[in-house]
Amino acid sequence: DTAVSQTPKYLVTQMGNDKSIKCEQNLGHDTMYWYKQDSKKFLKIMFSYNNKELIINETVPNRFSPKSPDKAHLNLHINSLELGDSAVYFCASNRGAFRGAQYFGPGTRLLVL
Amino acid sequence: AQTVTQSQPEMSVQEAETVTLSCTYDTSESDYYLFWYKQPPSRQMILVIRQEAYKQQNATENRFSVNFQKAAKSFSLKISDSQLGDAAMYFCAYCTDSGAGSYQLTFGKGTKLSVIP
Repeated sequence: DTAVSQTPKYLVTQMGNDKSIKCEQNLGHDTMYWYKQDSKKFLKIMFSYNNKELIINETVPNRFSPKSPDKAHLNLHINSLELGDSAVYFCASNRGAFRGAQYFGPGTRLLVL
Repeated sequence: AQTVTQSQPEMSVQEAETVTLSCTYDTSESDYYLFWYKQPPSRQMILVIRQEAYKQQNATENRFSVNFQKAAKSFSLKISDSQLGDAAMYFCAYCTDSGAGSYQLTFGKGTKLSVIP
């Protein structure tokens, strides 16, 4: 009965590879997000989707591409991985009625070697 | 651009005592929301408390309460009767409506809270 789930929880890969992180929420929320937490624990928003439409698109390399097949899913695809992409990536979701309160997934720790 | 400042990188509190974590923010907007999130070692981000800028009354959730000073742009978190399970990183976050049901959170750098038995 996990509310916001992410797979995988850990991802270790080589520089130059392409990888995807999947996110699913079963809360019936309208909007989903991706955040990046760097090694100093700083959290920054990357993208948001509302009903499969891209709303927030912060300045991130275009190697990062979010994809929302439906309202309950938001996947993050990363091309040509670089060392600096190593971080924890969090998916989150919210319902408009709760005006901003976002519920986070458990995070995916990505390590690029 | 909005900024959120947490001036205390680390704090400690004795079990059962009270501790206050500071947060200030910079904005020119009048309608926004403020949050405190907790991140224990498990790295799960947990929503602790929420405050709407138009409400003068300070939010309270059990042992957690805030002191919201809108004019001073200050939003501190008070934890009463601290418990060992309160040990975590605490993040203050400023939130604005980006439209279409989407809300942008801007986080501070966090305060690491240790609870001493």
